[in-house]
Amino acid sequence: EAQVTQNPRYLITVTGKKLTVTCSQNMNHEYMSWYRQDPGLGLRQIYYSMNVEVTDKGDVPEGYKVSRKEKRNFPLILESPSPNQTSLYFCASSQYPTRVYTEAFFGQGTRLTVV
Amino acid sequence: KNEVEQSPQNLTAQEGEFITINCSYSVGISALHWLQQHPGGGIVSLFMLSSGKKKHGRLIATINIQEKHSSLHITASHPRDSAVYICAATAINYGGSQGNLIFGKGTKLSVKP
Repeated sequence: EAQVTQNPRYLITVTGKKLTVTCSQNMNHEYMSWYRQDPGLGLRQIYYSMNVEVTDKGDVPEGYKVSRKEKRNFPLILESPSPNQTSLYFCASSQYPTRVYTEAFFGQGTRLTVV
Repeated sequence: KNEVEQSPQNLTAQEGEFITINCSYSVGISALHWLQQHPGGGIVSLFMLSSGKKKHGRLIATINIQEKHSSLHITASHPRDSAVYICAATAINYGGSQGNLIFGKGTKLSVKP
């Protein structure tokens, strides 16, 4: 079954404690991205990746890091989480053949609370 | 001003009603997506279209490229259709990168039995 898997689904952590949210897709997609969703603001892009070892900032990258060492995985790293990073996070992937993007597949979301 | 605008923000309907959600965009796009987000939070892609019309069951999506407008229609609505519907545009050369999705704020639909 084609899917994007995020873990964990729920996480409560304390300010400053490094954490990683994992994202894995089984569709051999080139394009992967991370979004955060906040009430009244909708979904905003944090980082994206066009392919292995190719990543770039989205609209709200501050306080986040990503890596793309393998095609299937695109972890989101919060080196020193702060309460303003409390949000619902989504990973997504899509195919990227010759600059034509296809349907986006989303993970189930990670609800993060930083206290 | 947001590059992708949706209306209405909230919509309450009676079971069986015909529903329309609108999406207007101001950027150049290669595709327009309609997404559904259920109360549990997960997001699924309903449609991706770049022209014309697509139909899947009771859902119909249309796009008018000249007018930069898309609509999502739900026929014979049912309480299980209650969800947030999000319009997203695959932008061309937005923020220096092709392929990034620009999202509308979503339309919260509630269908009453």
